This record gives sequence, C-alpha cells and structure tokens, in this order.
Amino acid sequence: GENVEQHPSTLSVQEGDSAVIKCTYSDSASNYFPWYKQELGKGPQLIIDIRSNVGEKKDQRIAVTLNKTAKHFSLHITETQPEDSAVYFCAASKSGGGADGLTFGKGTHLIIQP
Amino acid sequence: DVKVTQSSRYLVKRTGEKVFLECVQDMDHENMFWYRQDPGLGLRLIYFSYDVKMKEKGDIPEGYSVSREKKERFSLILESASTNQTSMYLCASSFGTANEQYFGPGTRLTVT
Repeated sequence: GENVEQHPSTLSVQEGDSAVIKCTYSDSASNYFPWYKQELGKGPQLIIDIRSNVGEKKDQRIAVTLNKTAKHFSLHITETQPEDSAVYFCAASKSGGGADGLTFGKGTHLIIQP
Repeated sequence: DVKVTQSSRYLVKRTGEKVFLECVQDMDHENMFWYRQDPGLGLRLIYFSYDVKMKEKGDIPEGYSVSREKKERFSLILESASTNQTSMYLCASSFGTANEQYFGPGTRLTVT
C-alpha cells in the first residue's frame, strides 16, 4: 500500500520567516495530495490540496508544490504568524480523496517563535 | 458549514468492554471514515463506508467493526476493548469522489 514520509517532525521558525514541510509518497498511482492543519483539541482541517495534473498551487501565504517524477510534495508558508502554530499533516490518495481513505504522514509540529 | 459531530470527547472504558463510538454528519455526505491518531504515527485509516450498509477495511481494521444503518451516522465498534486501543479516534466525511474530507473533533478513548 501507500506510504507517506513527512519531515521534519518539529519545525521552529521566527515569526515572519518562511516554513517548509516536505513529504514523499511511494505509490505512483496516487493523484491527490491534501495538507491538513490540526490545532490543539480540534480535528484536522484542510488548508490546501493539489492534484497530480498540477505542479503548484497557491492560496495567499500558503503554497504547495508537487514533483511527480520524484514523488514528493511540499508545503510552503510565508510570512508566518503566531496562529500558524499547529500540527500539519500531508496525505496522499489514489482516488481523488473523496471516496477512499487518505494515507497520512506522521505530522509536523510547527512552532512560530515571537 | 459542514458539521461532523462525535458522541463523546473523552471516554474511559475497561478492558474487555464493548465500546461504541458514534459519528454524525449533517451534510448528506455519502462517504464516512474512521481514523485513529497516535503520537508519532499520524492518522491511520480503520474503516470507511461509501454508502449505507457498505463498509471497507482500511489499513488497521483488526479489533474493530463498523455499522452504517443511516446515511448520516457511522459507528465504530470495539468488540472487546484492549489497552492498545487507547487512542484518539477521528471521524470524517466527504461528498463524491474528489472532494475534501471533513473531520470531527475526535474522541479520546482510554482503556484501562
């Protein structure tokens, strides 16, 4: 089955700096790659996703890049703010994400230092 | 707004008990999922369902079963709870085949 590796497990950055979280996947048939943010005491919430027919997607301060050849994708957060502190999960799916389960990475605890 | 609710935020059960975790979504989603979340392991898929009375095994179904009698409700059942099932359980739902999954707040289950 699919295996998703995520790095780093903890990332500490100064407020205003950029943060990058990287994931690799094993199944070349995977075609949907969402990123979830989980705040303390809450369930994960989708922040951005990308499908295999696109190489990059951006939404304000958040961007995701996908390299299908290398089977890796990354989350980029620019101009980080205190409210960006959370645990971030990448995931992969072969079915577009809706009707099938997601395979998640182990998570990155992002800490924004004031 | 999509709302996924889980019956309990915290639950403490004894080894050997039968445990029911309930999940309800209010957006007429066909697909529903159960994951467990453990520190350092991320989220792992236990079971999912794409229609009433349908179920599919995920990556770690052993020790669990599910029930989906109504479209809005998906139950996770631990037939005989064990200490290694102490975890955070997250329910999610989605619409169609290419849309995001919406998560509930989770149930933290402790088995003693």
